[in-house]
This record gives sequence, structure tokens and C-alpha cells, in this order.
Amino acid sequence: DTEVTQTPKHLVMGMTNKKSLKCEQHMGHRAMYWYKQKAKKPPELMFVYSYEKLSINESVPSRFSPECPNSSLLNLHLHALQPEDSALYLCASSRGGLIVGTGELFFGEGSRLTVL
Amino acid sequence: DAKTTQPNSMESNEEEPVHLPCNHSTISGTDYIHWYRQLPSQGPEYVIHGLTSNVNNRMASLAIAEDRKSSTLILHRATLRDAAVYYCILRLGYQFYFGTGTSLTVIP
Repeated sequence: DTEVTQTPKHLVMGMTNKKSLKCEQHMGHRAMYWYKQKAKKPPELMFVYSYEKLSINESVPSRFSPECPNSSLLNLHLHALQPEDSALYLCASSRGGLIVGTGELFFGEGSRLTVL
Repeated sequence: DAKTTQPNSMESNEEEPVHLPCNHSTISGTDYIHWYRQLPSQGPEYVIHGLTSNVNNRMASLAIAEDRKSSTLILHRATLRDAAVYYCILRLGYQFYFGTGTSLTVIP
């Protein structure tokens, strides 16, 4: 069982809708990640938060807006998405700080997004 | 641009060892080599990682070339539950970038 919980598991939205994906972990990890995965492709890194501050933004369009309200929660706010944004969105966490580089990523099962 | 290259697919007979290769010729001295696998309809799962020395854990072994430009994930006895896409990743800090992965088929 994964220790990273993502909700909702499935989401269908129109191009004018505003929705959010949520991710939660209680392992005390201080780094949290959003990845996007299209069918039969590897996950692509979108954002990384370290100690609740945005550390990496891989030039993701502004219609995706991440938020890290505390050390256990990570949100991805969605607005004015396009059909090509339909994908599996994966959240992950890892230990941060001095042991960066050695710890592994723990992934959730993902939120499957369909944009109509 | 992928920092790692892997064969697209491999097959193995059940209960036989499997050697999954990965090339990472542009690896830097501080990049860690990570392996993950992804079963259908699940998020990726950590398998093993290393820096310079070979590593063993309950899931697999990781053999790292002396020049660190390649590595091999070794599953000692493949089972049907090992059928998955295996990703070789170079990690620098918070930067985990997945390569294209190898889809492993295990034949009963």
C-alpha cells in the first residue's frame, strides 16, 4: 500500500472548469513532486517543493498552479486546461535536506485526468 | 533529453535471472543511479539505487560499471509479478528525470 494518497483517482473536466488535485503524505518527507504521465510514456517532472517552497518548475504552463500549504499536503490547481493535458498526474515525496540525493521517491497511485 | 537509454522491451522466462541494462554516458560524479518500476495502473515503485558500488536489496541487485557510464539491474529469479516497465534514472538533488524505460515481459 502506498503511503502517498492522491485524490481524486479520476477527474473529468471541461476546458472552462477549475479543479484541484490533492496529495497527502505522513512520512515526514519535506520534498514533494508533481509528475505528468501520458500513456506509454515515462513520467515527466513538473514541480518540486522543498520545505514548502517551490524549488523546481519545469516551465509548466500557468494553467497548472501548484500549492504546498504545509509539509504534508500538495495541491495542483487546474484552470482552462486543454484536451492534450489529459494524463495521469502523479504525486511523489522524498526526504529532504542533508540526505538529498540518497533517498528514494514514494509515489501515489495517481489521478487520471480527462479534459473534454 | 533523456539522460539514460534503455532497451524498449525485454523478455524473460519465469524463475530465470533477468539483466536490465542502462546507459548513462553523461553521468556526473554526483549523480545517483536509481531504478524504479511501474506496474500497470500504479505509480512507480522504488527498486534500488547506488552511487559507485554494487548494491543488493531484497528486490534486486544493481551492478555499476567502474566508469559509471552504465549499470545493470539484476532480478535474480523473475516472477510473473515482476512484469512491469523498469526505469533507470539519474538523480541529482531533487531532479529525478525518468528515461524511456524497459517493458519487461515474464513468460510462464
